[in-house]
Amino acid sequence: AQSVTQPDIHITVSEGASLELRCNYSYGATPYLFWYVQSPGQGLQLLLKYFSGDTLVQGIKGFEAEFKRSQSSFNLRKPSVHWSDAAEYFCAVVYPNAGGTSYGKLTFGQGTILTVHP
Amino acid sequence: DTEVTQTPKHLVMGMTNKKSLKCEQHMGHRAMYWYKQKAKKPPELMFVYSYEKLSINESVPSRFSPECPNSSLLNLHLHALQPEDSALYLCASSQEGYPVVSDTQYFGPGTRLTVL
Repeated sequence: AQSVTQPDIHITVSEGASLELRCNYSYGATPYLFWYVQSPGQGLQLLLKYFSGDTLVQGIKGFEAEFKRSQSSFNLRKPSVHWSDAAEYFCAVVYPNAGGTSYGKLTFGQGTILTVHP
Repeated sequence: DTEVTQTPKHLVMGMTNKKSLKCEQHMGHRAMYWYKQKAKKPPELMFVYSYEKLSINESVPSRFSPECPNSSLLNLHLHALQPEDSALYLCASSQEGYPVVSDTQYFGPGTRLTVL
């Protein structure tokens, strides 16, 4: 079954430290990949997306993500975290070869909660 | 501009009440979505409208009734809800008609629903 895995439920970093959030997808064909961020009680904001081309993708708020086909991964990175980055981060995918009603459906990982210490 | 608006921001209702959630987008997007999100969980798809027609119903109970009066507006009518229906309800929209695998969904801020 198509799925997406975020191995880390909760990550804590100090302000100014670098950050990497992991995301792995399960399907053979390259999916369309997204990272969203959700502040408490808020909606989801799109950080970046990857469809094709350059495997290093730049997003908003200083985030970037790298697509690695060999590792089925799309990890999110930020070189220096700010306290305002504390939120929940969701990796999401659309599998191009999914069948039936799964075609075109956005599949979310379970999310990673980021805590930032001053 | 990729703004999706939702009203109300918060809603408290009893199990016998009838209420509606509203979602609007003025980006000319052709697909609109309702998601339900419980605490500490990812969003779960409920309904998809494409070109104002219902494309997907993810086996949602009939106490939730979606409506798409026009291409910019999406409603979710609520009736006889249960306390376990308390959640954040998110609306999203995307440019193309559903399904288009390369399309991007843009989310609204959500309505926090509490059922007493």
